[in-house]
Amino acid sequence: IVLTQSPGTLSLSPGERATLSCRASQSVTDSYLAWYQQRPGQAPRLLIYGASSRATGIPDRFSGSGSGTDFTLTITRVEPEDSAVYHCHQYGSSPWTFGQGTKVEIK
Amino acid sequence: EVQLVESGGGLVQPGGSLRLSCSASGFTFGSYTMYWVRQVPGKGLEFVSGITGSGSYTFYADSLKGRFTISRDNSKSTLYLQMSSLGPEDTAVYYCVNLIMPAFYWGQGTLVTVSS
Repeated sequence: IVLTQSPGTLSLSPGERATLSCRASQSVTDSYLAWYQQRPGQAPRLLIYGASSRATGIPDRFSGSGSGTDFTLTITRVEPEDSAVYHCHQYGSSPWTFGQGTKVEIK
Repeated sequence: EVQLVESGGGLVQPGGSLRLSCSASGFTFGSYTMYWVRQVPGKGLEFVSGITGSGSYTFYADSLKGRFTISRDNSKSTLYLQMSSLGPEDTAVYYCVNLIMPAFYWGQGTLVTVSS
């Protein structure tokens, strides 16, 4: 399954809303779709699993939605520390696949 | 607390071999499938390989063409990745990953650089 993320880069001011898209080439089994945040030099940090469930300790300004082939990660009211690359990941079919990432820049 | 600590990365010449290790703690290691995922610097994430809890079933990315071998030692709670015939395209950070439903756990990664 090929995952295509858009946009490639998102430049926002603090307090704005970020909408990140992840589109799959075929339906993601059981909505087994995760989102990660990755800051430079760090490992990916799990934000969302099962398309819409927040991982432990993740602020509620992060939310995930979608099913089938279209998924969205929304960050309401972005903050400076949200500057990172965001990856989507499908784990419902073998082999796992990942999107190419969306870079979020905070002005 | 789940912890995954990779080691064994470094500089290796083209055509060489390297073995990565991942030491696990905080969960019943032998009960879970374990995975390796890599990331070329500045690029996206790529699935490499996985192995079931007993070690009886292994699976790999098609692109590896049989050059990598995954294994585990449940008595030591350690996952391995034996890499051979390495090329510059294998230069990446290699992460050890565990899925304990519903959450994923990642190690901090170990950098493998293939260069002469």
